[in-house]
Amino acid sequence: EVQLVQSGAEVKKPGESLKISCKGSGYRFTNYWIGWVRQMPGKGLEWMGIIYPGDSDTRYSPSFQGQVIISADKSNNTAYLQWPTLKASDTAMYYCARHTDSSGYYGDWGQGTLVTVSS
Amino acid sequence: SYELTQPPSVSVSPGQTARITCSGDALAKQYGFWYQQKPGQAPVLVIYKDSERPSGIPERFSGSNSGTTVTLTISGVQAEDEADYYCQSADSNSFVVFGGGTKLTVL
Repeated sequence: EVQLVQSGAEVKKPGESLKISCKGSGYRFTNYWIGWVRQMPGKGLEWMGIIYPGDSDTRYSPSFQGQVIISADKSNNTAYLQWPTLKASDTAMYYCARHTDSSGYYGDWGQGTLVTVSS
Repeated sequence: SYELTQPPSVSVSPGQTARITCSGDALAKQYGFWYQQKPGQAPVLVIYKDSERPSGIPERFSGSNSGTTVTLTISGVQAEDEADYYCQSADSNSFVVFGGGTKLTVL
């Protein structure tokens, strides 16, 4: 069974840094793209970017380029989403999801990580 | 980049048919996918590659593509189908876009 298990909720202050994780199991982690999706409170889904853990090929949505860093540790079957400097507007639920095949859909999702940024 | 446009809301009575559309030029060349999201839960894939249904998804969920518009059809809507529905597509470089979402209300 494919599982994506994300790290727990975080409460941070503006200006702080943060790295959240997404651990995959039940499949060959290196062979499937992992994407990150933001959902701000009461809003829709926004695609942030993807990484191919096999070679760390990473692609960002123009809206998030330069704002976050996506990485992966294939030795630990874990993908990461990182903020060097958090802003209050980063408050949201963040999901990781696995591209099931090359057509680009997400058949498997993590449970989400709630990030709250408040002074 | 490209956009996918969905109606903000659709309302139907139980047992009726709900149709949710998603429009965008990219859909003429790329597949459309649909997700259901209930409050406090992660999205769940309900239709992939325009019209394929994942295992475990009820047969009342179906999808179609007519050029630049994909449609999610829920036949015989049940109260449990009340949720937000998002369409999604991806280009050849794996760049993904989501529609704005449609809130399905079961009256």
